[in-house]
Order: sequence, then structure tokens, then C-alpha cells
Amino acid sequence: AQSVTQPDIHITVSEGASLELRCNYSYGATPYLFWYVQSPGQGLQLLLKYFSGDTLVQGIKGFEAEFKRSQSSFNLRKPSVHWSDAAEYFCAVGAEGGGADGLTFGKGTHLIIQP
Amino acid sequence: ETGVTQSPTHLIKTRGQQVTLRCSSQSGHNTVSWYQQALGQGPQFIFQYYREEENGRGNFPPRFSGLQFPNYSSELNVNALELDDSALYLCASSLRLAVTGTEKLFFGSGTQLSVL
Repeated sequence: AQSVTQPDIHITVSEGASLELRCNYSYGATPYLFWYVQSPGQGLQLLLKYFSGDTLVQGIKGFEAEFKRSQSSFNLRKPSVHWSDAAEYFCAVGAEGGGADGLTFGKGTHLIIQP
Repeated sequence: ETGVTQSPTHLIKTRGQQVTLRCSSQSGHNTVSWYQQALGQGPQFIFQYYREEENGRGNFPPRFSGLQFPNYSSELNVNALELDDSALYLCASSLRLAVTGTEKLFFGSGTQLSVL
């Protein structure tokens, strides 16, 4: 069975500081891995995805993520956060478009930006 | 803006009632998925429809059912509502091609369902 663990429920970062959000996954085959962001009252917006190739993937809004197969991790990073980055972040695993089993999401990490 | 629209945005029902939630897919998309997001949780996969047939289902009871119409709009129906059905229901559409498979999901903003 596929699963995703996001160990940090809340993270507080000062504006301009760097950010790393952790994600560990379990998946039987080669996974698609995703990071989504959700602002209050909004749906999910895809930040980036990984399936194969370069293990460091670039996404929108200045985010990047690194896939580490040996650690079953797919951590999200940003060198310098902006107040507008405050939101809920979800890591997910599954097939490209969800597939017959859908995407499996973690419980999310709530990002708070301090001025 | 993803082009996926859901209605209504908010809904209040009482336990035991039935509810229908609607989703209009992004133009050209032939696959729709529904997810349930309880407060403080990540979204959970309910089911997926492709060409008007259920293509996959998560761990949800049969009282959760769906329809996909020829114009690729979709409905999620929930019968015999329970308090635990209170959640944000998200619809996501995608394009599935025979050769390349299914492309990425585009999510709507969701319907917030409260069951009292």
C-alpha cells in the first residue's frame, strides 16, 4: 500500500529565510511524487512533480525538491520565503494523473511566515 | 484559475439526508476524480471516472456514488449522510490519452459540506 508521511504539522519561518519541508513515502513501484500547495478556501495547486531523471526538480514560485530513493524522501525547499508562501503544503504519491488508485496525500504541513 | 468549477461552494445538510455535488471539468479533459479532505487532513481519493465509467475507487462505502456525463461534467452523490462526512470535497480533472496516459490533475476549489 502506498503512504506518505509529512513529519512536521506546522513550520514557522522568517520572511527571507530558507525553507525545507519533509516528505517520506512508501510505494510499491517507481512513483510519481508531487508537491501541492493549498491556500485557505482554495483547491490544490501543483508546485512540482518527479518521476524519473534528474533527482533535483524545479517547480513554480521558486520551489525545488530533491528525490532520494535510498531515504524514500522527497523534500521541498525554497532558498528565500515570501509572506505569500504562507499556506498548507501537501506531498503526494501515485500515478501521473492519479490513476485508478488515485493520489495518496500526506496530512500536510502548515507554513507560517514571520515578518 | 484551473478551469475546474465546483458548485455549490458551501452546503449544510443534516444527518441522514442525501447530497449532490457538481463539478465542471476543464475544457477537453475526459477524466474526473473526487477527493474528500477532512479538517486538518490531506485529501483522500474517493473515485475516478473515465468516459462515464468508474475507473477506480478508494476506501469509501457504496453510499458514495458518482456520475460523469458526456460533456465530462460530473456529480458526487452521498446518501445517508453521517457527521463524519463533513469535509471539503475536491474535484480534479485531467486528460487521459491512449498513448501517453493521464496527464496532470487540475483541482477545483472544492465544496465545503457540513453535516449537522
